[in-house]
Amino acid sequence: EAQVTQNPRYLITVTGKKLTVTCSQNMNHEYMSWYRQDPGLGLRQIYYSMNVEVTDKGDVPEGYKVSRKEKRNFPLILESPSPNQTSLYFCASKGVSTEAFFGQGTRLTVV
Amino acid sequence: SQQGEEDPQALSIQEGENATMNCSYKTSINNLQWYRQNSGRGLVHLILIRSNEREKHSGRLRVTLDTSKKSSSLLITASRAADTASYFCATGSGGSYIPTFGRGTSLIVHP
Repeated sequence: EAQVTQNPRYLITVTGKKLTVTCSQNMNHEYMSWYRQDPGLGLRQIYYSMNVEVTDKGDVPEGYKVSRKEKRNFPLILESPSPNQTSLYFCASKGVSTEAFFGQGTRLTVV
Repeated sequence: SQQGEEDPQALSIQEGENATMNCSYKTSINNLQWYRQNSGRGLVHLILIRSNEREKHSGRLRVTLDTSKKSSSLLITASRAADTASYFCATGSGGSYIPTFGRGTSLIVHP
C-alpha cells in the first residue's frame, strides 16, 4: 500500500531536548516536504527536498533541520525545541506527475 | 512559493445544500489541486485541474478554473455531514514542486 509514515504520532518533550520526527515513503517519490499546522495559520512549509541530498528552506525553517540521505526518508530534526514549536506536523511526498501524499501527522508538545 | 488563498474561511450549511469555496492565487500555474483534511489528519487529494481545463467533475465535486482571474472554485453538491472538513487549494508549477497551502476553508455540514 502506498503510504507516507511518520513517527511518532504524539510526542511531549521538554525545552532544549533534541528530537527527531521520522518520515518514510514507499512510492519512490522525488519530492518530500515538512509542514506545520497551527490554528488560524493553515499549513506552513518548513523544509522541502527535491531529491537525495537536495534540501531547501520553506517559509518557516527557523529552529529546524532536515536531511535526505536516502530517497525514502526525510527526518525533521529539532536540535533545541522551544514551546513555540508546539504544533501539528505533517510530512508529504510527491512524484513528478502525482499529487501529494500526506502522513498521519505528529502532534508535538514542548513544555 | 506558490500559494493559494481560500475563501471563505468558514462555511456552515445544512445537509443537502451545496457548498462553494473559492481559491485565489498570484502567479501562473500548470495545475491547481484541491485537498481535504479531516480534523487533525493528513490532507487527502481530491481533484486536480490543469491550466488548460476550465471545469472538471468527480462525483459530487465540481471544480472550475479561471486563469485570467487567477481563481478556482470547488463546489460540493448535495452535501453530507461526512463532508465536514477543511478544504485547501494548492497550485503546481512545472509539475515538480511540493504544493504550498493557504489557511483553508472550514466546512461544517449540519445533519
